[in-house]
Amino acid sequence: EIVLTQSPGTLSLSPGERATLSCRASQGVTRNYLAWYQQKPGQAPRLLISGASSRATGIPDRFSGSGSGADFTLTISRLEPEDFAVYYCHQYGSSPSTFGQGTRLEIK
Amino acid sequence: QVQLVQSGSEVQKPGASVRVSCKTSGYTFTTYGISWVRQAPGQGLEWMGWISGYNGNTNYARDLQGRVTMTTDTSTSTVYMELRSLRSDDTAVYYCARDPHGVTSPFDYWGQGTLVTVSS
Repeated sequence: EIVLTQSPGTLSLSPGERATLSCRASQGVTRNYLAWYQQKPGQAPRLLISGASSRATGIPDRFSGSGSGADFTLTISRLEPEDFAVYYCHQYGSSPSTFGQGTRLEIK
Repeated sequence: QVQLVQSGSEVQKPGASVRVSCKTSGYTFTTYGISWVRQAPGQGLEWMGWISGYNGNTNYARDLQGRVTMTTDTSTSTVYMELRSLRSDDTAVYYCARDPHGVTSPFDYWGQGTLVTVSS
């Protein structure tokens, strides 16, 4: 099973700043099948990025994904108030599908 | 539009079973599968398993094998997840998510979640 480790656990930033979230896999992710989700309290996760770098439908272009192999990054170029949430990475290239433990993005 | 609507909250005693439904609409049911993901209070996401909407094939997480069963009803485009021999650490919000193949596809649409509480 592929273990995903996200860092940092909590990120404290202000609106307008740039956020960089990391996801490291215990082994290479097949075909870079790596997704990022955003989850707000009381809501289901929402797909942001798939295939490491492809934005899902309707996702603003301030969200971008990069990386390959075992190291991946989600970047939010300029934080909006609605971006403060928990973010999860997810590898879906091999079974079992696994998630990182999450990064909490909080307002500084 | 694609929608996944789950059944309501449940409270069950240890040792009992629970069945959660996920009614889908807005797409061709047999073209996609459904994964189930759960989230314990204050914790992260845990994949539980996948079922094909086409032929009912399943793939369960290893540590849930023997306790979980996923089924489909193609006449109503509904997927069911049954978890047996409930324990307190099964208390969680359970989500269904659209997942075409079980691997190689992200979860693009999610249900609203169903809270299952296991308590004596």
